[in-house]
Amino acid sequence: AQKITQTQPGMFVQEKEAVTLDCTYDTSDQSYGLFWYKQPSSGEMIFLIYQGSYDEQNATEGRYSLNFQKARKSANLVISASQLGDSAMYFCAMREEEHTGTASKLTFGTGTRLQVTL
Amino acid sequence: ETGVTQSPTHLIKTRGQQVTLRCSSQSGHNTVSWYQQALGQGPQFIFQYYREEENGRGNFPPRFSGLQFPNYSSELNVNALELDDSALYLCASSHFTTGPTDTQYFGPGTRLTVL
Repeated sequence: AQKITQTQPGMFVQEKEAVTLDCTYDTSDQSYGLFWYKQPSSGEMIFLIYQGSYDEQNATEGRYSLNFQKARKSANLVISASQLGDSAMYFCAMREEEHTGTASKLTFGTGTRLQVTL
Repeated sequence: ETGVTQSPTHLIKTRGQQVTLRCSSQSGHNTVSWYQQALGQGPQFIFQYYREEENGRGNFPPRFSGLQFPNYSSELNVNALELDDSALYLCASSHFTTGPTDTQYFGPGTRLTVL
C-alpha cells in the first residue's frame, strides 16, 4: 500500500487565487512528521512546511498552510494568493517514528504539478 | 549560511561504468541522505550517513555505496551502471535528532544519464 498518496497529477490555479494540494498518508506510528516540498524545473527540492503528528495547531509558513486532519490521515497544502513563481511540482513526504534514532528516511508521494495562470 | 551543494550538475556514463557523486552538507548539519528520483516519480531513499557510518538503507543493491567525511560531506558511488540508474540524484542534509522532526534540506541534484 502507498504510504503517501497524492491523487492530483496536475492542478491549475489563477494568479492571486488560493489552491489546495491533497495528500493522504498511511502509518501505524503515533509519532511522525509530514513535510511538503516544492520542486521547480531546475530540480532542487525546496522545503516549504512541516507538521508534527502531535501538533495541535495547523502549521503555517507565510502563504503556505497545512490543513492537518489526523483522523482522516490527510495533510493538504494550501497556497494562498498564488503567484506565477509557484508553478512547480509539489511533493508530500512523511517520516515515521520507526525510523527515529536511525535513518530519518523520508517517504515521498508521486507529486502534483501546479500551474499558475494569469 | 551555505546551503547544500552537489557536483557535478550533469553526468553521462555508459552501461557498466562506475560513477561518484559528491555532496557538501549545509553548515551545522551532521547527517547526509541520498535519494534517487526517476523521471515522473517522487524521490526514493537510498541511504543515510551519520558520524561517517551508514545509518539506514533503502531498497537499493550493494553496488550503491557511500562515504561520509569528517567535514560531513558525502559521496555516492554506483558501480556497474545500468540503464535504469538514469535519474536525478538528490542529496539532503539535516541535523540528527531522535524525533521525526528533523527537516532535510536538499541540494540541486545531479542528473545522471546512462547510455
